Amino acid sequence: DTAVSQTPKYLVTQMGNDKSIKCEQNLGHDTMYWYKQDSKKFLKIMFSYNNKELIINETVPNRFSPKSPDKAHLNLHINSLELGDSAVYFCASSQAGTGISVQFFGPGTRLTVL
Amino acid sequence: KNEVEQSPQNLTAQEGEFITINCSYSVGISALHWLQQHPGGGIVSLFMLSSGKKKHGRLIATINIQEKHSSLHITASHPRDSAVYICAVVRGQLTFGSGTQLTVLP
Repeated sequence: DTAVSQTPKYLVTQMGNDKSIKCEQNLGHDTMYWYKQDSKKFLKIMFSYNNKELIINETVPNRFSPKSPDKAHLNLHINSLELGDSAVYFCASSQAGTGISVQFFGPGTRLTVL
Repeated sequence: KNEVEQSPQNLTAQEGEFITINCSYSVGISALHWLQQHPGGGIVSLFMLSSGKKKHGRLIATINIQEKHSSLHITASHPRDSAVYICAVVRGQLTFGSGTQLTVLP
C-alpha cells in the first residue's frame, strides 16, 4: 500500500503553461508538505499545511499555490511556468505539526520546463 | 553561510567500516531530522531527534543541543547504505543541509 503518492511522476511542459501535481496520503496524517529539490539536490520547503493553517515559505513565488480539497490531498498548482521551476517536487505528510514528527515522502515528480 | 552545514560532502568507505556524518547548525531548533535519499531519488526519514540519542538497527543518531551539533553513525557499513544523507533542522519550518553523498564499496 502506497503511503504517500504523487502524480504524475514526470511532467514536461512549455514555459508559460499552467500545471498541477497531485498528492495523496492514506496515513491519516494531519499535516502535508511540498518540497522542491533543485538541480544541485538541495531540498527546500515550499509549503506546510494542515486543516487549520497554511505556512508558506516566503521565498516561494505566488505562481505556486497549494490546494487541499480534503485532509488526504494537497495538490500543487503552478501558473506561468518558468525555466527555473524545473526541479523535482516532493510531497510529504506527518502525523502532527510542522516538522515535529516523522515525515513520509512521496516518490517525487520531476518537472521539466522547456 | 547556510544555517545547516553537513560534513563531509562526499564520503567513500569500504564495506564494514564505521561511518560518521556530521551536521552543525547555527540557530535554536525544536528538532532535527536525518533523511536518506536513495540513488533512485526516493527519500526516507531515518530519525527525528530533539535530544540525546536514537538507534535503529545499524544506524545511530545523536544530538547535542548546547553545541548545536548532530551526528549520524552507521556501523558495519554495507554497499546498500550508499545514498545521500540529509540533515534538516526544525525552526518553524524545516531547513535542510546540502547532504552527504556516501558510497560504500564492496
